[in-house]
Amino acid sequence: SYELTQPPSVSVSPGQTANITCSGHNLGDKYASWYQQKPGQSPILVIYQDVKRPSGIPERFSGSNSGNTATLTISGTLAMDEADYYCQAWDSSILYAFGTGTKVTVL
Amino acid sequence: QVQLVQSGAEVQRPGASVKLSCKASGYRLTSHYIHWVRQAPGQGLEWMGMINPTDGRPMTLQARLIMTRDTSTSTVYMEMLSLRSEDTAVYWCVRERVGDYAFDIWGQGTMVTVSS
Repeated sequence: SYELTQPPSVSVSPGQTANITCSGHNLGDKYASWYQQKPGQSPILVIYQDVKRPSGIPERFSGSNSGNTATLTISGTLAMDEADYYCQAWDSSILYAFGTGTKVTVL
Repeated sequence: QVQLVQSGAEVQRPGASVKLSCKASGYRLTSHYIHWVRQAPGQGLEWMGMINPTDGRPMTLQARLIMTRDTSTSTVYMEMLSLRSEDTAVYWCVRERVGDYAFDIWGQGTMVTVSS
Protein backbone atom coordinates (compact mmCIF):
# COMPACT_ATOMS: atom_id res chain seq x y z
CA SER A 1 0.00 0.00 0.00
CA TYR A 2 1.02 3.60 -0.52
CA GLU A 3 1.80 5.68 2.57
CA LEU A 4 1.15 9.39 2.91
CA THR A 5 2.67 10.92 6.04
CA GLN A 6 1.50 14.16 7.65
CA PRO A 7 2.62 15.87 10.87
CA PRO A 8 0.15 15.03 13.67
CA SER A 9 -0.34 18.66 14.61
CA VAL A 10 0.34 22.20 13.49
CA SER A 11 -0.19 25.31 15.61
CA VAL A 12 -0.68 28.77 14.15
CA SER A 13 -1.57 32.20 15.47
CA PRO A 14 -4.59 34.01 14.02
CA GLY A 15 -3.64 35.94 10.88
CA GLN A 16 -0.46 33.93 10.34
CA THR A 17 0.33 31.27 7.73
CA ALA A 18 -0.04 27.55 8.33
CA ASN A 19 1.78 25.04 6.17
CA ILE A 20 0.66 21.42 6.29
CA THR A 21 2.86 18.89 4.55
CA CYS A 22 2.08 15.50 3.07
CA SER A 23 4.94 13.18 2.15
CA GLY A 24 4.90 10.17 -0.13
CA HIS A 25 7.15 8.47 -2.64
CA ASN A 26 7.10 10.48 -5.90
CA LEU A 27 3.96 12.25 -4.70
CA GLY A 28 4.71 15.07 -7.12
CA ASP A 29 3.92 12.68 -9.99
CA LYS A 30 0.42 12.07 -8.65
CA TYR A 31 -2.70 14.21 -8.19
CA ALA A 32 -3.06 15.51 -4.61
CA SER A 33 -6.20 16.76 -2.90
CA TRP A 34 -6.87 18.17 0.56
CA TYR A 35 -9.86 17.88 2.88
CA GLN A 36 -10.93 19.80 5.96
CA GLN A 37 -12.82 17.96 8.68
CA LYS A 38 -14.34 19.59 11.74
CA PRO A 39 -15.46 17.50 14.74
CA GLY A 40 -18.56 15.46 14.06
CA GLN A 41 -18.79 16.59 10.44
CA SER A 42 -18.16 15.11 7.01
CA PRO A 43 -14.91 16.20 5.33
CA ILE A 44 -14.94 19.04 2.80
CA LEU A 45 -12.76 19.26 -0.30
CA VAL A 46 -10.56 22.37 -0.17
CA ILE A 47 -7.90 21.67 -2.84
CA TYR A 48 -7.87 19.28 -5.81
CA GLN A 49 -5.40 18.56 -8.60
CA ASP A 50 -2.62 19.94 -6.41
CA VAL A 51 -3.53 23.64 -6.68
CA LYS A 52 -7.21 24.11 -7.61
CA ARG A 53 -9.89 25.40 -5.24
CA PRO A 54 -13.51 24.28 -5.52
CA SER A 55 -16.07 27.06 -5.73
CA GLY A 56 -16.85 28.46 -2.31
CA ILE A 57 -13.44 27.72 -0.81
CA PRO A 58 -11.70 30.92 0.34
CA GLU A 59 -8.60 32.15 -1.48
CA ARG A 60 -6.55 31.82 1.71
CA PHE A 61 -6.37 28.09 0.98
CA SER A 62 -3.70 27.15 -1.57
CA GLY A 63 -1.75 24.06 -2.52
CA SER A 64 1.46 22.89 -4.14
CA ASN A 65 2.96 19.51 -5.00
CA SER A 66 6.52 18.69 -6.05
CA GLY A 67 9.03 15.92 -5.50
CA ASN A 68 7.87 13.84 -2.56
CA THR A 69 5.85 16.53 -0.79
CA ALA A 70 2.48 18.19 -1.23
CA THR A 71 1.71 21.25 0.88
CA LEU A 72 -1.52 22.91 1.94
CA THR A 73 -1.06 26.55 2.89
CA ILE A 74 -3.57 28.57 4.86
CA SER A 75 -2.75 32.26 4.63
CA GLY A 76 -4.20 34.69 7.17
CA THR A 77 -5.51 31.81 9.27
CA LEU A 78 -8.85 32.35 10.98
CA ALA A 79 -10.20 30.69 14.10
CA MET A 80 -12.75 28.90 11.91
CA ASP A 81 -9.90 27.11 10.10
CA GLU A 82 -9.19 25.04 13.19
CA ALA A 83 -9.84 21.47 12.05
CA ASP A 84 -8.25 18.21 10.94
CA TYR A 85 -6.78 18.22 7.44
CA TYR A 86 -6.16 15.18 5.26
CA CYS A 87 -4.25 14.88 2.03
CA GLN A 88 -5.31 12.35 -0.57
CA ALA A 89 -3.56 11.10 -3.67
CA TRP A 90 -4.50 9.22 -6.78
CA ASP A 91 -2.35 7.23 -9.13
CA SER A 92 -3.15 4.38 -11.48
CA SER A 93 -0.94 2.06 -9.43
CA ILE A 94 -2.06 3.02 -5.91
CA LEU A 95 -5.63 4.02 -6.74
CA TYR A 96 -6.73 6.24 -3.84
CA ALA A 97 -4.92 6.86 -0.54
CA PHE A 98 -5.38 9.24 2.37
CA GLY A 99 -2.72 10.83 4.53
CA THR A 100 -2.47 10.29 8.27
CA GLY A 101 -4.11 13.62 9.07
CA THR A 102 -3.00 16.86 10.74
CA LYS A 103 -4.78 18.69 13.53
CA VAL A 104 -4.51 22.44 13.01
CA THR A 105 -4.84 24.49 16.18
CA VAL A 106 -5.33 28.24 15.98
CA LEU A 107 -3.91 29.69 19.20
CA GLN B 1 -29.17 20.61 -4.62
CA VAL B 2 -26.59 17.89 -5.11
CA GLN B 3 -26.50 15.55 -2.16
CA LEU B 4 -25.90 12.02 -0.98
CA VAL B 5 -28.23 10.78 1.74
CA GLN B 6 -27.17 7.70 3.66
CA SER B 7 -29.08 5.16 5.70
CA GLY B 8 -29.19 5.26 9.48
CA ALA B 9 -26.90 3.96 12.19
CA GLU B 10 -26.39 0.22 12.59
CA VAL B 11 -25.45 -2.03 15.48
CA GLN B 12 -24.35 -5.52 14.52
CA ARG B 13 -22.79 -8.58 16.15
CA PRO B 14 -19.35 -9.86 15.14
CA GLY B 15 -19.69 -12.20 12.20
CA ALA B 16 -22.88 -10.60 10.94
CA SER B 17 -23.33 -8.54 7.77
CA VAL B 18 -24.49 -5.00 7.20
CA LYS B 19 -25.78 -3.27 4.08
CA LEU B 20 -25.54 0.51 3.84
CA SER B 21 -27.37 2.64 1.30
CA CYS B 22 -26.56 5.97 -0.31
CA LYS B 23 -29.17 7.82 -2.36
CA ALA B 24 -27.99 10.45 -4.82
CA SER B 25 -30.10 13.45 -5.74
CA GLY B 26 -29.62 16.66 -7.69
CA TYR B 27 -27.53 15.02 -10.41
CA ARG B 28 -27.46 11.92 -12.60
CA LEU B 29 -26.04 8.99 -10.64
CA THR B 30 -24.31 7.49 -13.68
CA SER B 31 -22.22 10.59 -14.35
CA HIS B 32 -19.88 10.16 -11.37
CA TYR B 33 -18.06 7.33 -9.62
CA ILE B 34 -19.16 6.68 -6.03
CA HIS B 35 -16.65 5.72 -3.35
CA TRP B 36 -16.88 4.49 0.22
CA VAL B 37 -14.61 5.93 2.92
CA ARG B 38 -14.57 5.08 6.61
CA GLN B 39 -13.18 6.52 9.82
CA ALA B 40 -12.76 4.52 13.02
CA PRO B 41 -13.19 6.45 16.28
CA GLY B 42 -10.27 8.83 16.75
CA GLN B 43 -8.57 7.60 13.58
CA GLY B 44 -7.94 8.88 10.06
CA LEU B 45 -9.78 8.39 6.80
CA GLU B 46 -9.56 5.07 4.95
CA TRP B 47 -10.55 4.53 1.32
CA MET B 48 -12.44 1.27 0.93
CA GLY B 49 -13.47 1.04 -2.68
CA MET B 50 -15.59 2.46 -5.47
CA ILE B 51 -18.27 1.62 -7.97
CA ASN B 52 -18.88 2.83 -11.49
CA PRO B 53 -22.65 3.46 -11.46
CA THR B 54 -22.80 3.27 -15.25
CA ASP B 55 -21.86 -0.40 -15.54
CA GLY B 56 -21.98 -1.40 -11.87
CA ARG B 57 -18.34 -2.47 -11.88
CA PRO B 58 -16.85 -2.30 -8.38
CA MET B 59 -13.27 -1.99 -7.24
CA THR B 60 -12.68 -2.82 -3.57
CA LEU B 61 -9.77 -3.44 -1.26
CA GLN B 62 -11.43 -6.34 0.55
CA ALA B 63 -13.22 -9.37 -0.84
CA ARG B 64 -15.86 -9.16 1.91
CA LEU B 65 -17.11 -5.83 0.52
CA ILE B 66 -19.92 -5.95 -2.02
CA MET B 67 -20.81 -2.74 -3.84
CA THR B 68 -23.90 -2.51 -6.00
CA ARG B 69 -26.18 0.14 -7.43
CA ASP B 70 -29.80 0.59 -8.49
CA THR B 71 -29.99 3.22 -11.19
CA SER B 72 -33.80 3.27 -11.07
CA THR B 73 -33.66 4.73 -7.56
CA SER B 74 -30.26 6.46 -7.86
CA THR B 75 -29.03 4.43 -4.91
CA VAL B 76 -25.68 2.81 -4.24
CA TYR B 77 -25.20 0.04 -1.70
CA MET B 78 -22.26 -1.34 0.21
CA GLU B 79 -22.58 -4.66 1.99
CA MET B 80 -19.86 -5.74 4.39
CA LEU B 81 -19.66 -9.41 5.39
CA SER B 82 -18.14 -11.10 8.43
CA LEU B 83 -18.07 -7.99 10.57
CA ARG B 84 -15.31 -7.56 13.15
CA SER B 85 -15.00 -5.13 16.06
CA GLU B 86 -12.38 -3.28 14.02
CA ASP B 87 -15.11 -2.39 11.49
CA THR B 88 -16.70 -0.04 14.01
CA ALA B 89 -16.51 3.30 12.23
CA VAL B 90 -18.36 6.06 10.45
CA TYR B 91 -18.89 5.15 6.79
CA TRP B 92 -19.34 7.77 4.07
CA CYS B 93 -20.38 7.45 0.47
CA VAL B 94 -18.57 10.04 -1.59
CA ARG B 95 -18.88 11.38 -5.12
CA GLU B 96 -15.79 11.78 -7.27
CA ARG B 97 -15.35 14.87 -9.40
CA VAL B 98 -15.24 13.84 -13.03
CA GLY B 99 -11.64 13.50 -14.14
CA ASP B 100 -10.18 15.08 -11.00
CA TYR B 101 -9.69 12.05 -8.71
CA ALA B 102 -11.02 14.10 -5.78
CA PHE B 103 -14.13 13.73 -3.66
CA ASP B 104 -16.43 16.72 -3.91
CA ILE B 105 -19.70 15.55 -2.32
CA TRP B 106 -19.86 13.55 0.91
CA GLY B 107 -22.87 11.89 2.49
CA GLN B 108 -23.74 12.63 6.09
CA GLY B 109 -22.11 9.40 7.25
CA THR B 110 -23.44 6.21 8.82
CA MET B 111 -22.16 4.96 12.15
CA VAL B 112 -21.68 1.21 12.25
CA THR B 113 -21.02 -0.37 15.63
CA VAL B 114 -19.86 -3.98 15.82
CA SER B 115 -20.19 -5.32 19.33
CA SER B 116 -21.16 -8.51 21.07
